[in-house]
Amino acid sequence: NAGVTQTPKFQVLKTGQSMTLQCAQDMNHEYMSWYRQDPGMGLRLIHYSVGAGITDQGEVPNGYNVSRSTTEDFPLRLLSAAPSQTSVYFCASARTGTDREKLLFGSGTQLSVL
Amino acid sequence: GDSVTQMEGPVTLSEEAFLTINCTYTATGYPSLFWYVQYPGEGLQLLLKATKADDKGSNKGFEATYRKETTSFHLEKGSVQVSDSAVYFCALNLLGGLIYNQGGKLIFGQGTELSVKP
Repeated sequence: NAGVTQTPKFQVLKTGQSMTLQCAQDMNHEYMSWYRQDPGMGLRLIHYSVGAGITDQGEVPNGYNVSRSTTEDFPLRLLSAAPSQTSVYFCASARTGTDREKLLFGSGTQLSVL
Repeated sequence: GDSVTQMEGPVTLSEEAFLTINCTYTATGYPSLFWYVQYPGEGLQLLLKATKADDKGSNKGFEATYRKETTSFHLEKGSVQVSDSAVYFCALNLLGGLIYNQGGKLIFGQGTELSVKP
């Protein structure tokens, strides 16, 4: 099993550019989520999904879009990048049911917006 | 709202020293509590968890006890190693039927960096 795979690992954008951060898991996990990690603020939930076709907002959703067309993939889209979106982004997945709390994280994407 | 507060870091210890990282929480329901660890350049990994009051989670020599009366879940290890150097995150998740489908919607503390010197 590859686990949770995020691409790219590093990305530099100019203000106003758009891009998509990719996240894929091969464990048939129903639950997938995106967090951003900023110094001194821990991890904050951006969006999450409990299954294909179902998404919802987390704590800091503004400026980000998601979709879940398959169980395996959960891309995060930045429509018009801003310097405030400079952060490290983590995708995480989990089964629902008794193991739903055991989040498995990808290795992260470090994004810089100039 | 629900929140988690951790002691500020960085925490610097010598090898074989005793470790305590404080964590307190605020929650309206009955949360499960977790410690996650993030090694340099990696994503977070679940270290241990406790799902109800007085439960003790343990793993790799680390322990934490769910204290409802003090709303705390402090992380301890009797003898740290250089390989324990990492950032440690305390987190909570509210259980219950209403949010069953929300899976791992965890609320994290800000993280505590631990550096262990040989």
